[in-house]
Amino acid sequence: EADIYQTPRYLVIGTGKKITLECSQTMGHDKMYWYQQDPGMELHLIHYSYGVNSTEKGDLSSESTVSRIRTEHFPLTLESARPSHTSQYLCASIRGGGAGEQFFGPGTRLTVL
Amino acid sequence: AQSVTQPDIHITVSEGASLELRCNYSYGATPYLFWYVQSPGQGLQLLLKYFSGDTLVQGIKGFEAEFKRSQSSFNLRKPSVHWSDAAEYFCAVGAGTSGTYKYIFGTGTRLKVLA
Repeated sequence: EADIYQTPRYLVIGTGKKITLECSQTMGHDKMYWYQQDPGMELHLIHYSYGVNSTEKGDLSSESTVSRIRTEHFPLTLESARPSHTSQYLCASIRGGGAGEQFFGPGTRLTVL
Repeated sequence: AQSVTQPDIHITVSEGASLELRCNYSYGATPYLFWYVQSPGQGLQLLLKYFSGDTLVQGIKGFEAEFKRSQSSFNLRKPSVHWSDAAEYFCAVGAGTSGTYKYIFGTGTRLKVLA
């Protein structure tokens, strides 16, 4: 069973609020990813990290930011939430060294009013 | 550019019937290929993967997939569908090198199972 956690699972928040979506994994994986998924759509990569102090923007432009201070923790922050940020956010990780199975967290469904 | 196409957005089958979900990819080198399943409100779970070797791969829950390089396809199959298989299925390609590895996902196929 994959040990990757996301909190909160659901979040409803007003426009302009700052929010942080948490993602933690206990598998010691080096590579971690954030995806944005709208209903009926594919997953879009918005951020990824190959290790501590390494972060990169993904293929889909996002106003969010991430940090990787510890191997197990990869939080995503929105400084000022807007209705266009309403979506599901999925966190994933894989072991270092190249191709492998991505382990996914259960996701955070964000609604911005 | 790399891409993954799942031509069927929705598929409906009767319980006990066979199933095939299509996946076509575009990638310049030998791809790493994956099928994931997503139940409502959940993350994605790996069904199976292909890296090299035997082109017919077996996965969990009775699923299998066949890699056909000439057709750039990696179709998912199951001989007899169960009601619990109703979910969304995503095909994905792993692209890049060990240092810069990313995944590209298809748009998904939603499977409905009739009792």
